[in-house]
Amino acid sequence: QQQVKQSPQSLIVQKGGISIINCAYENTAFDYFPWYQQFPGKGPALLIAIRPDVSEKKEGRFTISFNKSAKQFSLHIMDSQPGDSATYFCAAGAWGKLQFGAGTQVVVTP
Amino acid sequence: EAGVVQSPRYKIIEKKQPVAFWCNPISGHNTLYWYLQNLGQGPELLIRYENEEAVDDSQLPKDRFSAERLKGVDSTLKIQPAELGDSAVYLCASSLVLEGEQYFGPGTRLTVT
Repeated sequence: QQQVKQSPQSLIVQKGGISIINCAYENTAFDYFPWYQQFPGKGPALLIAIRPDVSEKKEGRFTISFNKSAKQFSLHIMDSQPGDSATYFCAAGAWGKLQFGAGTQVVVTP
Repeated sequence: EAGVVQSPRYKIIEKKQPVAFWCNPISGHNTLYWYLQNLGQGPELLIRYENEEAVDDSQLPKDRFSAERLKGVDSTLKIQPAELGDSAVYLCASSLVLEGEQYFGPGTRLTVT
């Protein structure tokens, strides 16, 4: 049973464009929503995270939008750069236990 | 500050052979996690330690998988015997406290032939 559904599976964006990745969850007990970035051959690296007491969090070019009533959250990558080409995973968790989405492969073209 | 260290980085074994993976968490991190990542999928939790105690091992296939975290620092994950379906990346992560941010190591890519 997939508790966190992530879309799209892949996306291609031009340099300077906006990448948007969406996630939806079912378990209302989740209270922590991180995003991870993973390059080939590397482990996932924590990018940004949000808790449900806020609707948006921004760190540099990365923004999380959170909709508690819809049980959805999304990652926006502004001014996408070729170095952002990676696989992005959303996750949702409670009590330290994370459920990950299936990942989105992002390719930023020059 | 050193990150999570895992070894080996790659391992190729024949089916039915045993294999072990080692993890050294970030210094001072009390919580350690082992995850399994299949190709094209997100990580899936296998076992979680709080110091020396396994606080969540519900997803660990106990018939062939075992883990230990002696002295609450390093951890070893073992598979015996390995099956073809065990081919995957085994990730170790650690966090300062049970509900803290999780930091991942580079993983061990296991290939079972």
